Parts: sequence; C-alpha cells; structure tokens
Amino acid sequence: GENVEQHPSTLSVQEGDSAVIKCTYSDSASNYFPWYKQELGKRPQLIIDIRSNVGEKKDQRIAVTLNKTAKHFSLHITETQPEDSAVYFCAARWANQAGTALIFGKGTTLSVSS
Amino acid sequence: EAGVAQSPRYKIIEKRQSVAFWCNPISGHATLYWYQQILGQGPKLLIQFQNNGVVDDSQLPKDRFSAERLKGVDSTLKIQPAKLEDSAVYLCASSSWTSGSYEQYFGPGTRLTVT
Repeated sequence: GENVEQHPSTLSVQEGDSAVIKCTYSDSASNYFPWYKQELGKRPQLIIDIRSNVGEKKDQRIAVTLNKTAKHFSLHITETQPEDSAVYFCAARWANQAGTALIFGKGTTLSVSS
Repeated sequence: EAGVAQSPRYKIIEKRQSVAFWCNPISGHATLYWYQQILGQGPKLLIQFQNNGVVDDSQLPKDRFSAERLKGVDSTLKIQPAKLEDSAVYLCASSSWTSGSYEQYFGPGTRLTVT
C-alpha cells in the first residue's frame, strides 16, 4: 500500500521568507497529490493539488512540484505571512471518479514570525 | 453551498462505552469518507463510501468500529466498546467528480475523549 513521508516536521521562517515542505511516496500508481492546511482546532482545507500528468502548478504564492521518477513532491510558499502559520499535510493516492482514500503525511508545523 | 456537517462536536466517554458520530455531506456528493486524526498526526482513513456502498474499509477496526450510509446521504460511525486509544478527532469528508475535481471537503470534526 501507499506510504507518505513528510519533512520537516517543524519549520520556522521569518515573514517574507520562502518555505519548502517535501514529501515522498511509495506507490508508483498514485496519481493525485493534494496539500492541506489545518489551523489549530479547524478542519483541513485544500490549498493546492497536482495530478501525475503535471510537473508543477502555481497559485499565487503557493506552488507544488512533482517528480514522478523520484516519487517526491514539494510545497513552496513564497513571501510568507503570519497567517500562513499552520500545520500542512501532504497526501497521495491513486484517484478516479469514485474518489480516493488519501494517505496523509504526518504534517509540518509552519511558524512564520513577523 | 453548505459544507459538511458533523455532530456532536465534542464527546467525552469512559472506556468500554459506546459512541456514535453523525455526518451530513455536501448535497450531491456521492463519495463520503471517515478519517481518524490522532493529535499530532495526519488524518487516517477509516472507511470510504460511494453512495451507500463501501469502497474501502481496509483500515477500519471492524471488531469495534462500524459505519453505515443507508440512503447514500447521511452516515453514522459507531465505536463499541471504546478504548483509550480511540481518543482522536473523527473527520468526515465528501467529494464529487461532477466538477472534475478530486477535492475532498472536510467537516469540522468530532473530538472524542475516552477516559
């Protein structure tokens, strides 16, 4: 089955710096790679996702890159702001129109200090 | 659109007691998931429904956990009897392919404390 490793477990940056979180996955059949942000006591919310037919995707200050050969994908946040402070989870799995039972990483706690 | 609804939001029970959680997905979402999130960890799938059928329950501890989605809309997750290690947030999520997206929308969760 799929296994997802996420690093680092904690990340502290200064406001305006960039933050990078990396994940590796084990199942080469996985084709869907979302990133969720979870603030303390809140529900996880999707911030960006990528499918296996795409190498990179950007949405304003957030980008995700995927290397299928190496089976790893990364989240890049530029110009970090204090409101980016949260726990970020990567996930992976093979998905189809019936959905997908995501396998999540253990999370990265990002702290952005002003 | 209204989001995923869950109740109760908090529950405290003693070990060996039983408990049930309820989830109402986003209207029209055929796929419903229950995840268990232990403090400091990522969500772990317990069961996935497509309409009222089970797609994946390989990680559901079937000796004590059960779930149903009888009419393909609401779902109930039950634990009987509860153990201390069941203390966690139970998240319900739903998704629909009609928009061409695999996105899963999560509910606010039920925080269970077993004492």
